[in-house]
Amino acid sequence: DGGITQSPKYLFRKEGQNVTLSCEQNLNHDAMYWYRQDPGQGLRLIYYSQIVNDFQKGDIAEGYSVSREKKESFPLTVTSAQKNPTAFYLCASSSVSRQPQHFGDGTRLSIL
Amino acid sequence: GEDVEQSLFLSVREGDSSVINCTYTDSSSTYLYWYKQEPGAGLQLLTYIFSNMDMKQDQRLTVLLNKKDKHLSLRIADTQTGDSAIYFCAESNTDKLIFGTGTRLQVFP
Repeated sequence: DGGITQSPKYLFRKEGQNVTLSCEQNLNHDAMYWYRQDPGQGLRLIYYSQIVNDFQKGDIAEGYSVSREKKESFPLTVTSAQKNPTAFYLCASSSVSRQPQHFGDGTRLSIL
Repeated sequence: GEDVEQSLFLSVREGDSSVINCTYTDSSSTYLYWYKQEPGAGLQLLTYIFSNMDMKQDQRLTVLLNKKDKHLSLRIADTQTGDSAIYFCAESNTDKLIFGTGTRLQVFP
């Protein structure tokens, strides 16, 4: 079945450590997105990519980095510069931008 | 800037209809979406409507769009306990989606 796979489901970060969240899709979608969700809030866009080897900052990119070396993969690195990283992170993809986005099951990041 | 607003909570009895409302500010929105999120899970695309449509029906779901008032609603007929979740409205006219804060629907027997 086609879909979006995020791993791990739960992740713990120590102070000063970078961590990378994985997002893989087999839907042959060109566009991929990363969102952050905090309790009781909507989703906020971190980064998005419309095509391989290209990506743009979203509304809250500070403290995060991404790469898009392959069409099916869009990993997100939460750097030590992100001072409040505890949140639920969601990856999404769409066939092209402006088309409906489909979401993975999320990764919950916590600080030790 | 763009903004999407929803009420925070809705409580309905099993078997009744639920109506979840959403208002948005961007009159040039191309698509408007409804997503469902169950606890600890990602967002599931329920339905979407193109901005030149007034209504879309899909089984128990009916979406109504009032472009003049920038108002979108989702009606769930014969609401079941499995419909309990958070429902997000979202709009897009660019490469990005703008989400509301979500409406938590609670269904009681």
